Amino acid sequence: GENVEQHPSTLSVQEGDSAVIKCTYSDSASNYFPWYKQELGKGPQLIIDIRSNVGEKKDQRIAVTLNKTAKHFSLHITETQPEDSAVYFCAASSTGANSKLTFGKGITLSVRP
Amino acid sequence: DTEVTQTPKHLVMGMTNKKSLKCEQHMGHRAMYWYKQKAKKPPELMFVYSYEKLSINESVPSRFSPECPNSSLLNLHLHALQPEDSALYLCASSLFGLAGVGRTYEQYFGPGTRLTVT
Repeated sequence: GENVEQHPSTLSVQEGDSAVIKCTYSDSASNYFPWYKQELGKGPQLIIDIRSNVGEKKDQRIAVTLNKTAKHFSLHITETQPEDSAVYFCAASSTGANSKLTFGKGITLSVRP
Repeated sequence: DTEVTQTPKHLVMGMTNKKSLKCEQHMGHRAMYWYKQKAKKPPELMFVYSYEKLSINESVPSRFSPECPNSSLLNLHLHALQPEDSALYLCASSLFGLAGVGRTYEQYFGPGTRLTVT
């Protein structure tokens, strides 16, 4: 089955700096890669996703890049703000019967004011 | 609108109690999911319903019993739980299931029910 690795487990940045979170996956059949942000006491919120036919996708201050050859994808947050502080989960899935989202372990991002 | 609602927000129950968690969405989604999340861990899939039929059961103990009365509602019936079942229970929905032909559909989570088993 799919295995998604997420490193590091914690990341601290100064407000205004950029943050990059990287995930690797093992199953070459995976073709959908969402990122979720989870704030304390809340459910995971889908913030951006990318499919295997696209190399990069942007939405305002966040972007995701995908390298299918190396089997890794990254979340880029520019001009970080304190409200970006949360746990971020990457995930991967493929299409087909019984496919499901496989999550990374999550990274705690802290943005220092 | 990508809202999934869950009730109750918090639940404390004894090991001999029977309780139910409720999830609702009005986005016309045809797939609904139950996940369990322990502190500082990612969500773990428990059940998937597609078109109101159970399509995936991730070998969940029978003390958890899901039910999908219609395409907007998902329930999780709890009976004889153990303290180790204490966790955040998340509901999610997507337009179609992950096995939808040709593409994977975005999955949206509710805020969760914080369950404590005493």
